[in-house]
Amino acid sequence: DAKTTQPNSMESNEEEPVHLPCNHSTISGTDYIHWYRQLPSQGPEYVIHGLTSNVNNRMASLAIAEDRKSSTLILHRATLRDAAVYYCILKNFGNEKLTFGTGTRLTIIP
Amino acid sequence: DAGVIQSPRHEVTEMGQEVTLRCKPISGHDYLFWYRQTMMRGLELLIYFNNNVPIDDSGMPEDRFSAKMPNASFSTLKIQPSEPRDSAVYFCASSFLFGRDRWGYTFGSGTRLTVV
Repeated sequence: DAKTTQPNSMESNEEEPVHLPCNHSTISGTDYIHWYRQLPSQGPEYVIHGLTSNVNNRMASLAIAEDRKSSTLILHRATLRDAAVYYCILKNFGNEKLTFGTGTRLTIIP
Repeated sequence: DAGVIQSPRHEVTEMGQEVTLRCKPISGHDYLFWYRQTMMRGLELLIYFNNNVPIDDSGMPEDRFSAKMPNASFSTLKIQPSEPRDSAVYFCASSFLFGRDRWGYTFGSGTRLTVV
């Protein structure tokens, strides 16, 4: 499986945008970039995913580099409820497995 | 929709006892996954099913672990006999073929297992 690299932890101020980076230099053409997050004492929660183009949904935006070797999850206005571990995952089309790495622990400062 | 339902939420058992964890996936979902989470190893995929059939059990740690899906609305993960190193949070997740690329996988709240 292609690997992703994320910072272990990040901090951000409440009500400011947050940019969570992810490197995936060995991504293949059929790998989708998925983001999940895990709030304290909860199961992982789907955030967003994309293949080549940038994506927006009600939770976040996903910016994908032109060469697809990196991506950034953008939370437009962080709240205390966004404090969680964020996982960047490569999921190959046709393979149902979702393999989690260590993720980025995001702390929001009031 | 009640989401993916797991029971029990917490389980404390003695070493050597049989433990059964239960999962009810979202109605209409055709894939079901069992994960285990520990501080040391993070989130690990144990096994997954498609249309009630086990597809990949390569993550099941030992023969002491077994999983079944007798119908589309119920799955169990059994550990017999249990050992202290099985202590972890066990998550169940489900998805459906035409939805997972739009809504992803839905996880339950997990079962925290403690084996003493």
